[in-house]
Amino acid sequence: DIQMTQSPSSLSASVRDKVTITCRASQNITTYLNWYQQKPGKAPKLLIYAASSLHRGVPSRFSGSGSGTDFTLTISSLQPEDFATYYCQQSYSTLWTFGQGTKVEIK
Amino acid sequence: QVQLQESGPGLVKPSETLSLTCTVSGGSISNYYWSWIRQPPGKGLEWIGYIYSSGSTNYNPSLESRVTISVDTSQNQFSLKLTSVTAADTALYYCARVGGYRGPFGYWGQGTLVTVSS
Repeated sequence: DIQMTQSPSSLSASVRDKVTITCRASQNITTYLNWYQQKPGKAPKLLIYAASSLHRGVPSRFSGSGSGTDFTLTISSLQPEDFATYYCQQSYSTLWTFGQGTKVEIK
Repeated sequence: QVQLQESGPGLVKPSETLSLTCTVSGGSISNYYWSWIRQPPGKGLEWIGYIYSSGSTNYNPSLESRVTISVDTSQNQFSLKLTSVTAADTALYYCARVGGYRGPFGYWGQGTLVTVSS
């Protein structure tokens, strides 16, 4: 199995802060890496696919980078609606796996 | 706009079979991969498996012995069956559309909570 490890597990930030979340794969997954945002009581929403492609309708303050084993999700200027839990997910292997999630809270 | 809606019993007894259906509207189920994902209360996401519209499947090995995903293209639906359930199978179950082979989960249902309890 490919293990996906996110860091940090949670963070506190203020509106307009720059936020960076890291996802590390236990082996090379090239760019088969996606990012999702989940708010309480709601289904996850796709933000970034193929490591760095912005899903349609997602604000440009979200960006993704990385390849191989190390990936980053960046929110350039945190907005009130961005407080949520973020998950990375790999689809390189036949067993698709998610990271454990990073909860972004209001400072 | 593609929409997905899960349906099925919210309560299942231990050792019985969990059965859910996902109805797809706003688009055809053909020529896409469709997936089930679950989330125990307060925990993270677990991929259960996927099916292509032709019927080929791929399951999470941790659940493979108990899982069957099927598709009914005439009804624009796909389904999940999970046998011999225990309390550990209590979760929010989501259906989702996969954006191409090994693509992301681009569209999600709202999720349905299934509780395993006697």
